[in-house]
Amino acid sequence: ILNVEQSPQSLHVQEGDSTNFTCSFPSSNFYALHWYRWETAKSPEALFVMTLNGDEKKKGRISATLNTKEGYSYLYIKGSQPEDSATSLCASRGGGTASKLTFGTGTRL
Amino acid sequence: GAVVSQHPSWVICKSGTSVKIECRSLDFQATTMFWYRQFPKQSLMLMATSNEGSKATYEQGVEKDKFLINHASLTLSTLTVTSAHPEDSSFYICSAGQGTQNQPQHFGDGTRLSIL
Repeated sequence: ILNVEQSPQSLHVQEGDSTNFTCSFPSSNFYALHWYRWETAKSPEALFVMTLNGDEKKKGRISATLNTKEGYSYLYIKGSQPEDSATSLCASRGGGTASKLTFGTGTRL
Repeated sequence: GAVVSQHPSWVICKSGTSVKIECRSLDFQATTMFWYRQFPKQSLMLMATSNEGSKATYEQGVEKDKFLINHASLTLSTLTVTSAHPEDSSFYICSAGQGTQNQPQHFGDGTRLSIL
């Protein structure tokens, strides 16, 4: 994988449903994986920064896992609420002091 | 904390006009700011990395004479789109880092630029 890819592109769920999204990223020269939540007409809000293989982070009903060996991260939302409607963005950072974030196209919920 | 203010949020102007976009960190000092551009249905693409007191580092394919970046203080970076043309119409958004690479970036609200 050369780029950061997210799936699905969008999805609709019923209130109360739990859901998950996938972020695939290059596993070579990996440094960190960022997740952001972006509501319409607002700025992207940081959710998690994950660096270690097997990392799991949680913030309220939202959690994320990281597999750096195979190059993927999952974002889970438990018991979806209307206020969860937003685009979830993931971004991968490679190693090196001048490394940049490479973003996926996002998953719109 | 960690609020980034971006102004203006929306600009419509004629072809040939230069447009300046400001990005301010309100409650922290940002030694590094990033400028992104997003075309419809595409991902945020980094245009340049702006470091306080030094020249910006531009990504491949981004014209530095077209997109002038100034980062004169620890709280302000500006992006000037010079002699804008319709193909420059896009969504531009800035972000600021607080220090270590393990910290998230803090984003402005973005600027929707439309060139007629």
